[in-house]
Amino acid sequence: ELKVEQNPLFLSMQEGKNYTIYCNYSTTSDRLYWYRQDPGKSLESLFVLLSNGAVKQEGRLMASLDTKARLSTLHITAAVHDLSATYFCAVDATSGTYKYIFGTGTRLKVLA
Amino acid sequence: KAGVTQTPRYLIKTRGQQVTLSCSPISGHRSVSWYQQTPGQGLQFLFEYFSETQRNKGNFPGRFSGRQFSNSRSEMNVSTLELGDSALYLCASSSHGQGEAGELFFGEGSRLTVL
Repeated sequence: ELKVEQNPLFLSMQEGKNYTIYCNYSTTSDRLYWYRQDPGKSLESLFVLLSNGAVKQEGRLMASLDTKARLSTLHITAAVHDLSATYFCAVDATSGTYKYIFGTGTRLKVLA
Repeated sequence: KAGVTQTPRYLIKTRGQQVTLSCSPISGHRSVSWYQQTPGQGLQFLFEYFSETQRNKGNFPGRFSGRQFSNSRSEMNVSTLELGDSALYLCASSSHGQGEAGELFFGEGSRLTVL
């Protein structure tokens, strides 16, 4: 059974600091997705990583994918309060099935 | 372009009742997926429809069912509600055409409370 694990589950950090969220998965999927969820809200797509070595950046967030290690990272640079949210990674259960398995989520709180 | 629309947004039911949730995907999207989100289990895949056919199903009991119409709108139904069915039900649409990235676009969700 496919497992998608994120760590840490909770992250409290000061504004201006850097940190990385890790997403490990147990299948051979070469596609990985990152989503953001604000409290009481739905999920917003952040990044789509479609191949080994893919790197995407948007503002203070950068995501990368290593399919050989079955690992994706979401790096936060110089965190600001507005980045406080829960971040999920998701993987296709079997390539092309469109059955996505989500990680447990990382609840990020950026302290002013 | 309008996003994914889910109705109702909030509803309260009692055990044993049934509920129907509706989802209108982004125009042109033919794939609709449903997910259940709870604090304890996180986000869990329910099922996915494409062109009125259920292509994938998650590990949920038969009380959970769904369908998709010719205009790609989808409904999911939960019969004989249990307290544990209280959750946020999220619908997501995707174009899923050849060569597409498979990105999901989520609606705001339907928050179901079972008393």
